[in-house]
Amino acid sequence: DSGVTQTPKHLITATGQRVTLRCSPRSGDLSVYWYQQSLDQGLQFLIQYYNGEERAKGNILERFSAQQFPDLHSELNLSSLELGDSALYFCASSSRTVSNTGELFFGEGSRLTVL
Amino acid sequence: AQSVTQPDIHITVSEGASLELRCNYSYGATPYLFWYVQSPGQGLQLLLKYFSGDTLVQGIKGFEAEFKRSQSSFNLRKPSVHWSDAAEYFCASRDNYGQNFVFGPGTRLSVLP
Repeated sequence: DSGVTQTPKHLITATGQRVTLRCSPRSGDLSVYWYQQSLDQGLQFLIQYYNGEERAKGNILERFSAQQFPDLHSELNLSSLELGDSALYFCASSSRTVSNTGELFFGEGSRLTVL
Repeated sequence: AQSVTQPDIHITVSEGASLELRCNYSYGATPYLFWYVQSPGQGLQLLLKYFSGDTLVQGIKGFEAEFKRSQSSFNLRKPSVHWSDAAEYFCASRDNYGQNFVFGPGTRLSVLP
């Protein structure tokens, strides 16, 4: 158990719909990362937040947005869903303490299926 | 730009055989390097990490990796593979200043009985 919690584990929805994926980082971790994993694209970095602020942006579509709340949990919002958005979405958290090498701890992912 | 390559998309080995998964990184300084394993339907689990010191690092599940600066490599090894090692393996690097994580494309390991 990594300590990172993601909900829901599975989600099936239709094209054009909007979904929200939720992530609770490990206790004390300030950084949250979102990744998308699909069969043809591998593990793609979407976005990173640090203590509530956006820190880095990767290949995140304009239809997608995220935020990190004061309690450090994060949500990834996916709108106007397309078939190609079907994927496994991972959240990971990291600490930035001096004694820590800052490795990522991953949740078990949210599997999104768009029909 | 920082990048990580894993030349082998898929490797098949027999149970009990030795294993080496290749990883090359591109970064101006010595990055922090990691190997993760992903079993089907699961999240990524950290196997081991390198950031300084001894270039041979030991990880969980009997894995080890060796950092070679001259070759910009961080190859993962295991002397005797078990059927439960069948999974996807990802090499990753992080720069020294921020938390810019870069993952390789992954190597899928199949284990024959």
